[in-house]
Amino acid sequence: DAGVTQSPTHLIKTRGQQVTLRCSPISGHKSVSWYQQVLGQGPQFIFQYYEKEERGRGNFPDRFSARQFPNYSSELNVNALLLGDSALYLCASSLIGGRGSSYNSPLHFGNGTRLTVT
Amino acid sequence: AQSVTQLDSHVSVSEGTPVLLRCNYSSSYSPSLFWYVQHPNKGLQLLLKYTSAATLVKGINGFEAEFKKSETSFHLTKPSAHMSDAAEYFCVVSDQGSTLTFGKGTMLLVSP
Repeated sequence: DAGVTQSPTHLIKTRGQQVTLRCSPISGHKSVSWYQQVLGQGPQFIFQYYEKEERGRGNFPDRFSARQFPNYSSELNVNALLLGDSALYLCASSLIGGRGSSYNSPLHFGNGTRLTVT
Repeated sequence: AQSVTQLDSHVSVSEGTPVLLRCNYSSSYSPSLFWYVQHPNKGLQLLLKYTSAATLVKGINGFEAEFKKSETSFHLTKPSAHMSDAAEYFCVVSDQGSTLTFGKGTMLLVSP
């Protein structure tokens, strides 16, 4: 079975531009989460979507938005890019989402999209 | 609020010697705890998770971790390191919600 797939794998953007990252979950998984991993740090939670509804949001500015489609794939959008947005963006899928799901439904991560903002 | 502290940013061992990666956590609730591994240019792979059924948790590739509530620790161990174990390891806590809080990571270096 295919794992979590993310596209593109690498991306270079200029400050002020907008970017869209895409994620396809493991077949049968209905929840998708997004994490940002800055070089030298652990991943930080951005969003979780479950059954096409936002179930959690981390401490990120409104420039960050996401959505989940009927086939459970997801997009992460970042507007007005800053140099500090340069990071590895990780998508993770799980069978379920919402409160308590981290215990019963572990996350499966994709290989990430490496975003460089110049 | 939940947080994780990984006590070592780098750990170096020789192949065949034991591995110890240290983690302390803070949580307002009875936490779920995990260890993930990240190989270069790869995503994160779940090594093991604490289920509250047993304090000693066995994971993949010979790793195990012991939950010690009195010490708020969840250290990761392996009896004998392999070259393929060289990677970055993350201790992770979840306060029964749906989101994970990661530590800053420990880079494990394995020399021949």
